[in-house]
Amino acid sequence: SQTIHQWPATLVQPVGSPLSLECTVEGTSNPNLYWYRQAAGRGLQLLFYSVGIGQISSEVPQNLSASRPQDRQFILSSKKLLLSDSGFYLCAWSVQPGGGVYEQYFGPGTRLTVT
Amino acid sequence: AQSVTQPDIHITVSEGASLELRCNYSYGATPYLFWYVQSPGQGLQLLLKYFSGDTLVQGIKGFEAEFKRSQSSFNLRKPSVHWSDAAEYFCTVATYSGSARQLTFGSGTQLTVLP
Repeated sequence: SQTIHQWPATLVQPVGSPLSLECTVEGTSNPNLYWYRQAAGRGLQLLFYSVGIGQISSEVPQNLSASRPQDRQFILSSKKLLLSDSGFYLCAWSVQPGGGVYEQYFGPGTRLTVT
Repeated sequence: AQSVTQPDIHITVSEGASLELRCNYSYGATPYLFWYVQSPGQGLQLLLKYFSGDTLVQGIKGFEAEFKRSQSSFNLRKPSVHWSDAAEYFCTVATYSGSARQLTFGSGTQLTVLP
């Protein structure tokens, strides 16, 4: 069966510090990968998605970047964190479009607090 | 552009009572619809999905949802709520962007269950 991991689970970082959040998927090949942010009391905002190694699409201009160095690894980064980067970050995966399967499966999330 | 509206921000029900969470969508093509549930501090779990066919779909944990094309609705129901159902619920529509399926989320409905 497929599993998705995210780490760290929680993170407290000062303003201006760098960020690296990691997401890995097991049990599937060539998944689509997604990063979402969920701010307090708000819905989910899609930040990035990737359809393959090295292929990143950005949905919202921001202080963050994403990379996919391996098929089942997705990394969210920042060079200098802002207070507004605080939130709950969720990674998700789905199979490639086609075959009538379109749902996404979510990881446990990372709670980021920028102080 | 596609959108999902969940008109109820917060709903409170007593344990054992029935539940209906409302969802309306706006999408030009045949929608692929989902309901996800999120417990506090956790990732999202897929409850059920609708792609085509029978308009009443069954999901996990005793939930069901009915697709009504004429009303552009996909309401979630449960005949008898349990205390463990307290969580936030998201209605979601899948759309196609470039080479990936993306999910557009409603703003969520927070469910409180009274003993």
